[in-house]
Amino acid sequence: DAMVIQNPRYQVTQFGKPVTLSCSQTLNHNVMYWYQQKSSQAPKLLFHYYDKDFNNEADTPDNFQSRRPNTSFCFLDIRSPGLGDAAMYLCATSRDNRSNQPQHFGDGTRLSIL
Amino acid sequence: AQSVTQLDSQVPVFEEAPVELRCNYSSSVSVYLFWYVQYPNQGLQLLLKYLSGSTLVESINGFEAEFNKSQTSFHLRKPSVHISDTAEYFCAVSNYAGGTSYGKLTFGQGTILTVHP
Repeated sequence: DAMVIQNPRYQVTQFGKPVTLSCSQTLNHNVMYWYQQKSSQAPKLLFHYYDKDFNNEADTPDNFQSRRPNTSFCFLDIRSPGLGDAAMYLCATSRDNRSNQPQHFGDGTRLSIL
Repeated sequence: AQSVTQLDSQVPVFEEAPVELRCNYSSSVSVYLFWYVQYPNQGLQLLLKYLSGSTLVESINGFEAEFNKSQTSFHLRKPSVHISDTAEYFCAVSNYAGGTSYGKLTFGQGTILTVHP
């Protein structure tokens, strides 16, 4: 089945130690998104790629960066994680960036900060 | 700017009872509307969507939602719930302003549906 896969499902890192979360997709979708979801809150869009074009949300901290080396893979890099960055991180894809396109989500990576 | 309000943060119901999860939105332009479901420790799954046409949309597992433009609502309903429907439900909107509009989703805060035996 075509899908969105996130690895790892659970990630523990130390305060200030860089961490990378990965996402891959077999849907061949042009757009990939990264969301942050804290407990009992709605997902918050951090940024997205339309093909190779990177689009950062205005309120995304500089601490968060992303790479998309090819169509299938996208990475979320947190340069110096703080305690407030503990959350579920969701990757999603869509065929294109039109408003009527539904997004397809992975199962997320739960990040804990020690 | 667009916004979404889910009026109930938690809805407890008994199995086989009907349920309605409420969603209201605010937007200055036309919108597309979505309901997503999130089971524990999983990502969001698309439940149903309203893009155009009939204002009543249905999912394969018995949920339905009705787009009401005058009340700016998109409430989710199911006539008889199962234990397996226990999950968090998110209403989301994206703007359509003609031509090619960037499909940024704005989510509501979510409603936790708990179905009791």
